[in-house]
Amino acid sequence: GAVVSQHPSWVICKSGTSVKIECRSLDFQATTMFWYRQFPKQSLMLMATSNEGSKATYEQGVEKDKFLINHASLTLSTLTVTSAHPEDSSFYICSARASGRLGNEQFFGPGTRLTVL
Amino acid sequence: KQEVTQIPAALSVPEGENLVLNCSFTDSAIYNLQWFRQDPGKGLTSLLLIQSSQREQTSGRLNASLDKSSGRSTLYIAASQPGDSATYLCAGEPKGDMRFGAGTRLTVKP
Repeated sequence: GAVVSQHPSWVICKSGTSVKIECRSLDFQATTMFWYRQFPKQSLMLMATSNEGSKATYEQGVEKDKFLINHASLTLSTLTVTSAHPEDSSFYICSARASGRLGNEQFFGPGTRLTVL
Repeated sequence: KQEVTQIPAALSVPEGENLVLNCSFTDSAIYNLQWFRQDPGKGLTSLLLIQSSQREQTSGRLNASLDKSSGRSTLYIAASQPGDSATYLCAGEPKGDMRFGAGTRLTVKP
């Protein structure tokens, strides 16, 4: 199967700082990547969809200036949480949609747990 | 907008029981329907993917079915084991992005 990695797996930061999370497709090219957020005991909520080389599409209620997404290559997308605050503490999961031989299935990363103090 | 509902929210069964988890969605224009398992504090493990032209998928003790006309999917777990204890999420993909249900928290008691 296809593998998606995320880095870091967890991060603790002070309020007001920015945090970058990387999502990589290790053995396939991903034309589309998705970013989800999961609060404790809740399900995954889609934050944004990004296509390589173009601007991300954000879901309603997600601040695009706060959650910066860059999808500069077919194997890497980054999510930067700018000026993080405690309410941004959450589990962030990315997924990547493969093309070609892998069909259109989405493959999920292991997640990044962000704690903002 | 696709809404996905999972019933029950929590389920506790003794080891060895067969069980069914339910998932319903508002938009029958489902392209893919996928079931995941999530252990506490962990990411998602894909269990079964039912693509648009399919009606069911099987893997070991797991069987998932999809009925687009009624907007329902079920995940059947046979001979449950304590190691099956986790939260099970279904996700429907109308076209493009994936929408998740709130999950069913399963506990299998030894």
